[in-house]
Amino acid sequence: DAGITQSPRHKVTETGTPVTLRCHQTENHRYMYWYRQDPGHGLRLIHYSYGVKDTDKGEVSDGYSVSRSKTEDFLLTLESATSSQTSVYFCAISAPRTSGVGDTQYFGPGTRLTVL
Amino acid sequence: KNEVEQSPQNLTAQEGEFITINCSYSVGISALHWLQQHPGGGIVSLFMLSSGKKKHGRLIATINIQEKHSSLHITASHPRDSAVYICAVNVYNTDKLIFGTGTRLQVFP
Repeated sequence: DAGITQSPRHKVTETGTPVTLRCHQTENHRYMYWYRQDPGHGLRLIHYSYGVKDTDKGEVSDGYSVSRSKTEDFLLTLESATSSQTSVYFCAISAPRTSGVGDTQYFGPGTRLTVL
Repeated sequence: KNEVEQSPQNLTAQEGEFITINCSYSVGISALHWLQQHPGGGIVSLFMLSSGKKKHGRLIATINIQEKHSSLHITASHPRDSAVYICAVNVYNTDKLIFGTGTRLQVFP
């Protein structure tokens, strides 16, 4: 298994509180991603990073921010959590791209977040 | 309409049956992925392919680029194959994956 951990694994919080999820990798992979998984939807990209301090938005980035100050850590922050952000959050990593070729992504175990 | 469509959404089978899960996509891609998500939630990459066919044990993945279609086959299915199978595509010239909604497979003894 790729060395990816997520913390916390489960969290229950209240509407309006800030929440930070952490993804940690030991593979030294350049690319890191945050997804959310909801019933009836495929995994949807929130934000991704292509290097330290280099991040970009995905398709569902509203209400989320990210930071990557070290290669191994990618943080996802909900500044003011809402009930619509109740979801399972997955982190993924991939190795540097070969031009025009896709890369296998390796997924963390997921974080189940409930916003009451 | 989703850019990646899977069928069927749900599938039940008896142990030993041959299983086929289909994936169609509507965008230009550089690669297609098949992933497996077990009831515990973990997601594992099974295949990445950009042409032809790949085989790993009892699993076979094929792709037809002209028809924008891929299939995942499981031969001699087993209850431990019960999982959600997810198709995803690398959109050409981007770093991003687009995912299908998954096919839930249950294999009964």
